[in-house]
Amino acid sequence: KAGVTQTPRYLIKTRGQQVTLSCSPISGHRSVSWYQQTPGQGLQFLFEYFSETQRNKGNFPGRFSGRQFSNSRSEMNVSTLELGDSALYLCASSLGITPEKLFFGSGTQLSVL
Amino acid sequence: GQQLNQSPQSMFIQEGEDVSMNCTSSSIFNTWLWYKQDPGEGPVLLIALYKAGELTSNGRLTAQFGITRKDSFLNISASIPSDVGIYFCAAPAPSGSARQLTFGSGTQLTVLP
Repeated sequence: KAGVTQTPRYLIKTRGQQVTLSCSPISGHRSVSWYQQTPGQGLQFLFEYFSETQRNKGNFPGRFSGRQFSNSRSEMNVSTLELGDSALYLCASSLGITPEKLFFGSGTQLSVL
Repeated sequence: GQQLNQSPQSMFIQEGEDVSMNCTSSSIFNTWLWYKQDPGEGPVLLIALYKAGELTSNGRLTAQFGITRKDSFLNISASIPSDVGIYFCAAPAPSGSARQLTFGSGTQLTVLP
């Protein structure tokens, strides 16, 4: 069974640009969550989607957005990139039923220059 | 919001030694998760705990859900070189989605030959 797939693996952008990251969850999983990982702040929750609806959102500015498609695949978008947005962005998928287990992808390493 | 205090921050041990790490919080949780992250990869779920007092093993790894529901412990027995990595505890917000995880700051484990 394939795991969580994130693309691209690495990305280099400049300040002010926007970026879109993609996540394909494990087959059969209906929930996709996004996390940001930085050396200073650690792993922080961005948002979560279930059945194409955003269910929860973390404490991030509106420049961070996402969506989920009918096949459960998800994308997150960051507009007007800032240097501080440089991070490893991780996607996690889960079945969406209790008890929950989240399975993470390898992440997209974003560097903002 | 709730915080998970993970300790120790780093450990240097000899191959074959046992390792212990823990997470504490002032908040009560219904689930504790333990992940391991290798460099450049996403966290991999090691053990999931769903009941206070629960003791669960996965090979050489054993984790316990504290009886107060405010802490959890992870033990690794007879460490080997491939145990090197960062170990995270995580727990979902009690009042929020089970898929919105709060992570500890991690324990960096180094195993010396």
